[in-house]
Amino acid sequence: DAGVTQSPTHLIKTRGQQVTLRCSPKSGHDTVSWYQQALGQGPQFIFQYYEEEERQRGNFPDRFSGHQFPNYSSELNVNALLLGDSALYLCASSLAPSGGGEQFFGPGTRLTVL
Amino acid sequence: AQRVTQPEKLLSVFKGAPVELKCNYSYSGSPELFWYVQYSRQRLQLLLRHISRESIKGFTADLNKGETSFHLKKPFAQEEDSAMYYCALQRGGADGLTFGKGTHLIIQP
Repeated sequence: DAGVTQSPTHLIKTRGQQVTLRCSPKSGHDTVSWYQQALGQGPQFIFQYYEEEERQRGNFPDRFSGHQFPNYSSELNVNALLLGDSALYLCASSLAPSGGGEQFFGPGTRLTVL
Repeated sequence: AQRVTQPEKLLSVFKGAPVELKCNYSYSGSPELFWYVQYSRQRLQLLLRHISRESIKGFTADLNKGETSFHLKKPFAQEEDSAMYYCALQRGGADGLTFGKGTHLIIQP
């Protein structure tokens, strides 16, 4: 099991463009969470998907949207990119949402907005 | 809103010395608390969680609700403990994790 995988590894975009990041959860996991990690900061929760629906959302604008597919993989879409969206985007998977459960993180996608 | 504070950005100790990484949180309810670690060139991974009351790699953490703290401790530091450590809080249920800014721990030989 490769664990959580993310693609692409790196991405460079310009302001105003749109981007899609992809995540495949660890085998057996059905819940995917997305985090944004700016340089020198801890990860910030964007949203969580379970049963193909957004279940929880952090303090991020509607420019950030997502999707979960029947095979539990997920996409994160960001529209109208801003310079401040430059960050490492982490995907984490877990079993059905439950308190205290471990989240398994992927290696991240490094997004640079010029 | 909940918040996690890790007051030390960088902590440097000598091998064999005790280590304590501080974590304070603010949340009115009963949270789940975690310590995640990121070793060089590896992905973020769970070190321990308060509900398990385990000792992992010699590390322990006790939840002090009165002081709203969840400090990570190890009596004798080892060089392989050098890493980035993040304290995280979960309000419960399906909630995402709220992370602190992290503490970079360096163990000097």
